[in-house]
Amino acid sequence: DGGITQSPKYLFRKEGQNVTLSCEQNLNHDAMYWYRQDPGQGLRLIYYSQIVNDFQKGDIAEGYSVSREKKESFPLTVTSAQKNPTAFYLCASRYRELTREDGYTFGSGTRLTVV
Amino acid sequence: GEDVEQSLFLSVREGDSSVINCTYTDSSSTYLYWYKQEPGAGLQLLTYIFSNMDMKQDQRLTVLLNKKDKHLSLRIADTQTGDSAIYFCAEKGRFQKLVFGTGTRLLVSP
Repeated sequence: DGGITQSPKYLFRKEGQNVTLSCEQNLNHDAMYWYRQDPGQGLRLIYYSQIVNDFQKGDIAEGYSVSREKKESFPLTVTSAQKNPTAFYLCASRYRELTREDGYTFGSGTRLTVV
Repeated sequence: GEDVEQSLFLSVREGDSSVINCTYTDSSSTYLYWYKQEPGAGLQLLTYIFSNMDMKQDQRLTVLLNKKDKHLSLRIADTQTGDSAIYFCAEKGRFQKLVFGTGTRLLVSP
């Protein structure tokens, strides 16, 4: 079955460390997205990519970095410059065609905690 | 600009109807969506409505769209305890990005 997989489900980071969250999809989707979710604040867009080797900053990109070397993969690195990284991170993907009404497909999320 | 607003909480009794409301600001939105998020999980697409429709019904779910007032609602008939979750509305904004509301936490009590 096609889907979008995030790993790990739980991740602990020490102060000053960089950590990378994985997002892989086998839906043949073109665009991929990273969101951060904090209680009571909904979803905030970190980065997105519409095609391979191209990505754009979202609303809260500072302290994060991404790459899109393959269509299936869009890893997110939380760097030490992100001062408050504890949150639930969600990856999503979709087809690029403008006429599709499918919306986004979401992964099951990674909960990152700073220890 | 793009902004989507929802109330934060809704509490209902099992068997009652639930109505979750949403207002949006981008009049050019073509599709509007409702997603459901269960604890510790990702978002699951529940339903969507195209902007030239007023209503869409799908089993226990009814979506109403008032384009003049930029108001979207999701009605869940015969609400069950399994419907307890966070519900997000979303509009398709610029560059095909979805803009999400803050989410409404629905609590269904027996």
